[in-house]
Amino acid sequence: EILLTQSPAIIAASPGEKVTITCSASSSVSYMNWYQQKPGSSPKIWIYGISNLASGVPARFSGSGSGTSFSFTINSMEAEDVATYYCQQRSSYPLTFGAGTKLELK
Amino acid sequence: QVQLQQSGAELVRPGASVTLSCKASGYTFTDYEMHWVKQTPVHGLEWIGAIDPETGGTAYNQKFKGKATLTADKSSSTAYMELRSLTSEDSAVYYCTRFSAYWGQGTLVTVSA
Repeated sequence: EILLTQSPAIIAASPGEKVTITCSASSSVSYMNWYQQKPGSSPKIWIYGISNLASGVPARFSGSGSGTSFSFTINSMEAEDVATYYCQQRSSYPLTFGAGTKLELK
Repeated sequence: QVQLQQSGAELVRPGASVTLSCKASGYTFTDYEMHWVKQTPVHGLEWIGAIDPETGGTAYNQKFKGKATLTADKSSSTAYMELRSLTSEDSAVYYCTRFSAYWGQGTLVTVSA
């Protein structure tokens, strides 16, 4: 099973601030997704295939990485970005998720 | 548009079984695998398994073998997950998802006497 370690677990950012979340895999993966989840809602695909923005996702978001190291970046934090973000690999079964990063507004 | 409509919340007794449903619409049901995911505050998001509705073939997370059984009814475009021998550890929100873009609204299962 591929373990995904996300950090930080919680982060607070001011409006306009740059935010970076990392996801480290225990083995090499070739396909990494990122999800956004707000309380009471289902996860929403935010970035797929490492760096592709899902439909409707603002351009201030980006994803990058390869092998065992991946990152998720918000160039300029906005209030609507408050949520929990999860990485997820689908390179091998069982599919696995990171523990999540809770993003708060400072 | 693609929609996955899940069945309502369940309150079940320890030791009992429960079957959750996920009705798909807006696409050809047999063209895509249906996956199930468990979410709890303690363990986060956990992949349970997947079913190919066309063939009935399944893949399970080893952790959930013996706990979950996935089936699909092509005639009604509905996927099912049976959970058996329920304990408090099975209390969770369960999602069906056509990875990665489409998710059901989730079904809350509460196991309590």
